[in-house]
Amino acid sequence: KAGVTQTPRYLIKTRGQQVTLSCSPISGHRSVSWYQQTPGQGLQFLFEYFSETQRNKGNFPGRFSGRQFSNSRSEMNVSTLELGDSALYLCASSSPDPGVYEQYFGPGTRLTVT
Amino acid sequence: KQEVTQIPAALSVPEGENLVLNCSFTDSAIYNLQWFRQDPGKGLTSLLLIQSSQREQTSGRLNASLDKSSGRSTLYIAASQPGDSATYLCAVEGGSEKLVFGKGTKLTVNP
Repeated sequence: KAGVTQTPRYLIKTRGQQVTLSCSPISGHRSVSWYQQTPGQGLQFLFEYFSETQRNKGNFPGRFSGRQFSNSRSEMNVSTLELGDSALYLCASSSPDPGVYEQYFGPGTRLTVT
Repeated sequence: KQEVTQIPAALSVPEGENLVLNCSFTDSAIYNLQWFRQDPGKGLTSLLLIQSSQREQTSGRLNASLDKSSGRSTLYIAASQPGDSATYLCAVEGGSEKLVFGKGTKLTVNP
């Protein structure tokens, strides 16, 4: 099975712009979670989607939003970019099978805001 | 709010040494605990997952234990190799956040 894929891998944007990142989960996985990783704060949970519905949300401002499509692919959007949004954005997927809880991560999208 | 702490923040050992990485969490109401490895600039690779009803899991040279009542987990690496050099992260699942991560332990294994 192919792993979790994220596109693009690298992105450079200017303050004030908006950006959309994409995540394709492992085939058959219906849960997709997004995380932000920075040197100062470490890995922080953004939100989780399951069957096109947001199931959980972390403590991030409303500029961060996401969605999930019927094929389980997910996108996250950041509007009005700030310098502090520069980070590695990781998504993870997990199986819907009962008793299987492992999270599988993609390689991440490195976002640089200038 | 769940908080996860990993000690030490960095560790440097000679090749062949056995080592233990520590992880503690403040809220014992967790579903499971997962250990990950991260190489510089890369995503996370899952190493071991321990469900809340389990005490330990083993995979090759790795052994992870979980003491939910005391809020602690350890990752034991036997006969360390230079290829084990990476940052090791533990994360707990429970509550409203899918996974809550520690800041990681950066391991360097010297040849």
